[in-house]
Amino acid sequence: DAKTTQPPSMDCAEGRAANLPCNHSTISGNEYVYWYRQIHSQGPQYIIHGLKNNETNEMASLIITEDRKSSTLILPHATLRDTAVYYCIVRVIQGAQKLVFGQGTRLTINP
Amino acid sequence: DTAVSQTPKYLVTQMGNDKSIKCEQNLGHDTMYWYKQDSKKFLKIMFSYNNKELIINETVPNRFSPKSPDKAHLNLHINSLELGDSAVYFCASSRTQGGASGAYEQYFGPGTRLTVT
Repeated sequence: DAKTTQPPSMDCAEGRAANLPCNHSTISGNEYVYWYRQIHSQGPQYIIHGLKNNETNEMASLIITEDRKSSTLILPHATLRDTAVYYCIVRVIQGAQKLVFGQGTRLTINP
Repeated sequence: DTAVSQTPKYLVTQMGNDKSIKCEQNLGHDTMYWYKQDSKKFLKIMFSYNNKELIINETVPNRFSPKSPDKAHLNLHINSLELGDSAVYFCASSRTQGGASGAYEQYFGPGTRLTVT
């Protein structure tokens, strides 16, 4: 079963920052936080991952709380193409580990 | 070039038939996966192969048989198709060692929508 809790849906205005929360209060010390998204009818797409430090790449930023029990994915300037279901997943990094998807957050970017 | 490709994209067939879905990745990854996304949109792992060896086998009916002829291919054969097999099937691949970033993120194919009538 998924080890994360996310709000089922969120809305954000185009051009604004979208902040997607995730609760993972039972995360283990060797588990990373991963974010994927699934745009309608497409395969899931990797966004970013982190262990305990904040991370940033060309797609998004990941803020992990100091106690690692929650995190926030930030899309700094959301566009209509960012409308998707966003999944927060915790997993160990070694080996061929399966991804356990929860219900995710359906993010709708409004013009 | 497409990193992870699947064929066919759509598959409509009748109950009782046998069908196969093919998956190929050109990323040089050593591990490949099959996921199923049902009508309620939940994504679940089915199988995983590492270097042609089965390493993850979730609770999946025996009618589903994955085959990996080489590291770049993982096919899914389904016997005696049932109505409940209707879903979107996603293939994915990842590196599991030796990556520069160590992310080992999984790359997904575009999916195969299977409809059993």
